[in-house]
Amino acid sequence: EDQVTQSPEALRLQEGESSSLNCSYTVSGLRGLFWYRQDPGKGPEFLFTLYSAGEEKEKERLKATLTKKESFLHITAPKPEDSATYLCAVQARGGSNYKLTFGKGTLLTVNP
Amino acid sequence: GAVVSQHPSRVICKSGTSVKIECRSLDFQATTMFWYRQFPKQSLMLMATSNEGSKATYEQGVEKDKFLINHASLTLSTLTVTSAHPEDSSFYICSAMDNSYEQYFGPGTRLTVT
Repeated sequence: EDQVTQSPEALRLQEGESSSLNCSYTVSGLRGLFWYRQDPGKGPEFLFTLYSAGEEKEKERLKATLTKKESFLHITAPKPEDSATYLCAVQARGGSNYKLTFGKGTLLTVNP
Repeated sequence: GAVVSQHPSRVICKSGTSVKIECRSLDFQATTMFWYRQFPKQSLMLMATSNEGSKATYEQGVEKDKFLINHASLTLSTLTVTSAHPEDSSFYICSAMDNSYEQYFGPGTRLTVT
């Protein structure tokens, strides 16, 4: 069974204080690892897809990296508007089943 | 970017009634859509996979006769919660998969059963 564990559950940062969120996973053959941002009462917003170990992707203050066992979401000089829950999900390879298995998320709060 | 809409955004219904939620992909065709539910401070739990023109595939523990899914076109899937009860109150979110296998999520529907 595919599993995703995110840590920490919650993270408080001061504006400008860089940090990283962790996503550890076990999957029977990884097709893709996905990062989403979710604001309260809204659906997840797509951020990144990573497909193979060593891959990195960047978007503004966010950078996602991938190894064979985990992914990191690095946040550089965060701003209060980066406050949200960040969700990690994996998609297994094989067959026609493209479903995502999600972690519980990391609630990020950035204080001004 | 890809846009997915849901309607309604909020609905309150009485116990025993049925509620239909629509999920539309606005600027791309989606042969596969997914339905999730999310309880407060919990992550998304997949309920079912909806394939255009065929029967939905339900996850273990999800009652297919209670949560009816119809994927009648390449841009529309519907979820009907039949004979709703208070324990069905939740945040229901759909996603639509594009031809790159990436999923884009709708804004969610808050269902409250009284």
